[in-house]
Amino acid sequence: DVKVTQSSRYLVKRTGEKVFLECVQDMDHENMFWYRQDPGLGLRLIYFSYDVKMKEKGDIPEGYSVSREKKERFSLILESASTNQTSMYLCASDAPGRSWKQYFGPGTRLTVT
Amino acid sequence: GNSVTQMEGPVTLSEEAFLTINCTYTATGYPSLFWYVQYPGEGLQLLLKATKADDKGSNKGFEATYRKETTSFHLEKGSVQVSDSAVYFCALSDRVGGGADGLTFGKGTHLIIQP
Repeated sequence: DVKVTQSSRYLVKRTGEKVFLECVQDMDHENMFWYRQDPGLGLRLIYFSYDVKMKEKGDIPEGYSVSREKKERFSLILESASTNQTSMYLCASDAPGRSWKQYFGPGTRLTVT
Repeated sequence: GNSVTQMEGPVTLSEEAFLTINCTYTATGYPSLFWYVQYPGEGLQLLLKATKADDKGSNKGFEATYRKETTSFHLEKGSVQVSDSAVYFCALSDRVGGGADGLTFGKGTHLIIQP
């Protein structure tokens, strides 16, 4: 079974802190994604990566950056956390040219106070 | 741009009732369509998909048919169970071949099944 793991299930940070959310997949997938999930808004794409060191902005990249130094790991970085970044963050991965099935991690619920 | 509109909940039904969750989409070209489900405390998982017009996706008693003429992909189940209680997301992808792009999701429908 494909496993997508995220470093924390729950995280509490203060306004202005630098926050790292880590995601690891074990299926050698080329593509990895970060979404945020908010009630009434569904899931929105923040960033994705189709290869090591490659990244593309999604629909809501402002206030976020990403890093992909190894194929299996994709990090989401909040340079200076703000309260409006309190949300559930979901990581996903898939392989191009396959069935477009994205595999999701369990999510990290981030609270910024 | 692409968008997905689905009925918002919560939707509350009794066990063994018939379920329909409506989903319509706007996209250029011919997208692939998906239903994802999120059970309490778990990550999203793919429930079913359809990649071209008139395709029917099915899984665990759920079905959805890709209707290009009405740009719809409604989710149905003939007899729901308490264990079907979850949040359901309709999504689309207009990725072609080996490309990469994220999915466009609807806002989610919270389904509650009462015994």
